[in-house]
Amino acid sequence: DSGVTQTPKHLITATGQRVTLRCSPRSGDLSVYWYQQSLDQGLQFLIQYYNGEERAKGNILERFSAQQFPDLHSELNLSSLELGDSALYFCASSAGGGLAATGTQYFGPGTRLLVL
Amino acid sequence: GESVGLHLPTLSVQEGDNSIINCAYSNSASDYFIWYKQESGKGPQFIIDIRSNMDKRQGQRVTVLLNKTVKHLSLQIAATQPGDSAVYFCAGSVSGTYKYIFGTGTRLKVLA
Repeated sequence: DSGVTQTPKHLITATGQRVTLRCSPRSGDLSVYWYQQSLDQGLQFLIQYYNGEERAKGNILERFSAQQFPDLHSELNLSSLELGDSALYFCASSAGGGLAATGTQYFGPGTRLLVL
Repeated sequence: GESVGLHLPTLSVQEGDNSIINCAYSNSASDYFIWYKQESGKGPQFIIDIRSNMDKRQGQRVTVLLNKTVKHLSLQIAATQPGDSAVYFCAGSVSGTYKYIFGTGTRLKVLA
């Protein structure tokens, strides 16, 4: 158990819909990262928040957005869903904001999204 | 663009033998690398990391080797066990960029 929790574990929805994925980092960790994992593209970094502020953006679509709240939990919002958005979405946390400084990211169990 | 890729998608190893999983990266500015293990139905789990000022780092039954000249790193697992069966990812980053580039993964199968 990494200490990172994600809800829901599974999500089935239809094209055009909007969903929210939730992540609670490990106790004391200030950074939260979101990743998308699909069969053909592996793990893709989406976005990072550090202590409530956006720190880095990766390959995140404009239809997707995220935020980190004062209690440090984070939400990833996916809107206008398309079939191709079906994937595993992972959240990870780390103690600091700089990956090279802190090293380890701890991953949650993921949310499996299926868009029909 | 940047890429961190793995040479082989699947590696089958006899239980008790050593495993070597390879990874190539394209960004010569990458100076920090991590190996992750992902078991079926679970999130990636940190195994070992290495900074570019090192060429070798050892952990418990695992060793990571870094060759900056050819932009290649490898993960060696000694005395492979059935519990080592998983997908292994390498990831690289550049200090201060806060972003990792992940490889697509190698599936390690341990044969009894």
